[in-house]
Amino acid sequence: DQQVKQNSPSLSVQEGRISILNCDYTNSMFDYFLWYKKYPAEGPTFLISISSIKDKNEDGRFTVFLNKSAKHLSLHIVPSQPGDSAVYFCAAHSNSGYALNFGKGTSLLVTP
Amino acid sequence: SQTIHQWPATLVQPVGSPLSLECTVEGTSNPNLYWYRQAAGRGLQLLFYSVGIGQISSEVPQNLSASRPQDRQFILSSKKLLLSDSGFYLCAWKLWAGRSVDTQYFGPGTRLTVL
Repeated sequence: DQQVKQNSPSLSVQEGRISILNCDYTNSMFDYFLWYKKYPAEGPTFLISISSIKDKNEDGRFTVFLNKSAKHLSLHIVPSQPGDSAVYFCAAHSNSGYALNFGKGTSLLVTP
Repeated sequence: SQTIHQWPATLVQPVGSPLSLECTVEGTSNPNLYWYRQAAGRGLQLLFYSVGIGQISSEVPQNLSASRPQDRQFILSSKKLLLSDSGFYLCAWKLWAGRSVDTQYFGPGTRLTVL
């Protein structure tokens, strides 16, 4: 049962433009949402997170938006750079949960 | 600072052979430890997690097992590998954060190919 869904398996964006990666979830008990970035043959690295009491969190070029009523979050990367090319995973957990629920990932390609 | 190690980095094993993957964490005490698998074309699937020595919770029934013989050591094992066990295995750790965001930190992973 996939509680976190990333419906776009891939995305291609030109360098300098905005990348928008989307994520939907089904469990209304989730309290925190995270984005991870993963290069091939490496472990995921933590990017940014947001609490369910907020609707936006910004860290440099990365901004995560949360729409609780729609059970939807998105990661915006502005401006996109070729080094941002990677697979991005959305994850979520509740306050009482021990484990993260991951989406299947979106592969972002930033072209020069 | 904390670091997490996994080995081996890559492994090719025949069907029916045993498996032992090891994960160790440095620079922290009493972490929660996790084993994930990323199969081809799929997301990250949680296999096992541990909140303390000797405490293992299994998320997915399968022919794999996990053990935590020491505080910062987590081992993934199998007595007989199946073709479907091929994938990228990731170990992760975190400290219990209470009512706060639960950031897990991942190791470099092990690429397992079962032939």
